[in-house]
Amino acid sequence: DTEVTQTPKHLVMGMTNKKSLKCEQHMGHRAMYWYKQKAKKPPELMFVYSYEKLSINESVPSRFSPECPNSSLLNLHLHALQPEDSALYLCASSQVPGTGSSYEQYFGPGTRLTVT
Amino acid sequence: QKEVEQNSGPLSVPEGAIASLNCTYSDRVSQSFFWYRQYSGKSPELIMSIYSNGDKEDGRFTAQLNKASQYVSLLIRDSQPSDSATYLCAVNIGNQGGKLIFGQGTELSVKP
Repeated sequence: DTEVTQTPKHLVMGMTNKKSLKCEQHMGHRAMYWYKQKAKKPPELMFVYSYEKLSINESVPSRFSPECPNSSLLNLHLHALQPEDSALYLCASSQVPGTGSSYEQYFGPGTRLTVT
Repeated sequence: QKEVEQNSGPLSVPEGAIASLNCTYSDRVSQSFFWYRQYSGKSPELIMSIYSNGDKEDGRFTAQLNKASQYVSLLIRDSQPSDSATYLCAVNIGNQGGKLIFGQGTELSVKP
């Protein structure tokens, strides 16, 4: 069983909708990540949170809004998306890099998003 | 030059053979190296991490790192059809927090 969970598994939304993706980790990690993955491509980093604070934003459009309510939860709020935003959205967690611990990133199962 | 490069494949090996997957990276300050396996339609699964030069073995998997040559590889011994997947090499850049740079992935097919 994965210790990083994501809901929903699948999401279909129109371009005028507002929706949220949710991620929860039970690994005691203090770094959490959002990635976007298109078919036949590697994951692309979107956001990194360390100790519940946004530490990296890879110039992601404002229609994607991340939120980290506590150390085990990560949300991605979606608004006015475009069809080209359709992709697999992956959450990952790790120890915080630079703290002396190994910081392997563990991925959740992903949310398959389709924008119509 | 891409930061992390892998042969895209597909790499086809017979069942029971050794599969060899290769990855080169461009940033000399890179500190940590990871191999992920991704089955079609699924999320990446971490199978190996390596931080220092040399070999690291875990079951049928061996990761090899040569920082001087900026090269990391993954060997899969006694390949099984269930090993058929895309293998992603990922490199953590030392001065960019937790950012992982992924290669394009190598598609491995193990034929019975």
